[in-house]
Amino acid sequence: GAVVSQHPSWVICKSGTSVKIECRSLDFQATTMFWYRQFPKQSLMLMATSNEGSKATYEQGVEKDKFLINHASLTLSTLTVTSAHPEDSSFYICSARGGQGEGQPQHFGDGTRLSIL
Amino acid sequence: KQEVTQIPAALSVPEGENLVLNCSFTDSAIYNLQWFRQDPGKGLTSLLLIQSSQREQTSGRLNASLDKSSGRSTLYIAASQPGDSATYLCAVTWGGKLIFGQGTELSVKP
Repeated sequence: GAVVSQHPSWVICKSGTSVKIECRSLDFQATTMFWYRQFPKQSLMLMATSNEGSKATYEQGVEKDKFLINHASLTLSTLTVTSAHPEDSSFYICSARGGQGEGQPQHFGDGTRLSIL
Repeated sequence: KQEVTQIPAALSVPEGENLVLNCSFTDSAIYNLQWFRQDPGKGLTSLLLIQSSQREQTSGRLNASLDKSSGRSTLYIAASQPGDSATYLCAVTWGGKLIFGQGTELSVKP
């Protein structure tokens, strides 16, 4: 149980393109979803937290107009990288948490490798 | 502010060795601590979760300990195998968020 599906797994696109990444909880309801970014050989950095039906809360230094997050249902959150540039190239990972409270574990997707040419 | 540090950054051992990975955190007011495994280009697999009130958790060849007061955790891997080669990440739940360490890249040589 507790499977999180992230799609696509790899995307290559031209500079200036907008890219949408989907994160789905397949067998549980995700009241909260998280988006992380990971550079090579580095750890995961939290970008934003989203609760179903609410606006996302962004971490300091993350541009909310650049990284649009939508959490429209209890099983789906999307991250859209708008007008992507080469510096946005990175590995993006989502996670989902069911129930209430921080004690519930986060379940992670397999990540999306984004390459901007 | 919470900072999580993992030592060593990389470790290479021959197959069969027992090994210990270290994790430290600066603020002891954590909710829980988790150890994850990450294979290259992949997402995270949760290995062990220790609640703040617990001292250790075991799963197969893995044993994780937690000393909250000193801000330390260790992950012990017994009888290492080449299939254990991966990056191991430590993370604490703090302020409603998961704060990750930089990871230890483990290579187990046959």
